[in-house]
Amino acid sequence: DVVMTQTPVSLSVSLGGQVSISCRSSQSLVHNNGNTYLSWYLQKPGQSPQLLIYKVSNRFSGISDRFSGSGSGTDFTLKISRVEPDDLGVYYCGQGTQYPLTFGSGTKLEIK
Amino acid sequence: EVQLVESGGGLVQPGRSLKLSCAASGFTFSNYYMAWVRQAPKKGLEWVATISTSGSRTYYPDSVKGRFTISRDNAKSSLYLQMNSLKSEDTATYYCARHGVTTKNFDYWGQGVMVTVSS
Repeated sequence: DVVMTQTPVSLSVSLGGQVSISCRSSQSLVHNNGNTYLSWYLQKPGQSPQLLIYKVSNRFSGISDRFSGSGSGTDFTLKISRVEPDDLGVYYCGQGTQYPLTFGSGTKLEIK
Repeated sequence: EVQLVESGGGLVQPGRSLKLSCAASGFTFSNYYMAWVRQAPKKGLEWVATISTSGSRTYYPDSVKGRFTISRDNAKSSLYLQMNSLKSEDTATYYCARHGVTTKNFDYWGQGVMVTVSS
């Protein structure tokens, strides 16, 4: 199984600031078809998860350009710029390249 | 607007069975893979099952393989999860999610339904 490791476990940021969350996979997430199926999700307090980023760097419909994804192979990063109060919650990375599908353990973002 | 509404959760004793349902609307259900993802209390996300558009292919992690069965009724735009031989570690909120076949992500999620396995 592909193990997804997220760091940090939690972080605190001031409004308007920028943060980065790291996600590393135990195996390459490059699919046989050449695509890399790494996604990012945000679970706001008391809500269901929502998709932010798919295939490493593609923003899902309606997602602000303050969110950006990058990386390749086994090393990926989510950056959030100009942090807003609505950004707080737990961020998860997830891989769709191979079964069983797996998620990182989450990074909790708090606003200072 | 895509909507996924789960139902069927509740309290069940260990070893017993429970069936979850998910009613989908706002998109052509038969064109999409569908999935169940769960979240134990205060824990992270765990993928539970995926089913292909026709229902001919299903996928499970080892933790539920042989105990859980995912199915669908495209005529009713409904997804199901039959859970047998339930264990305390199956206690979680279960989310129905649309599983993008080309993007291989979960792009829409339901509000979730709680399943508690306890005597």
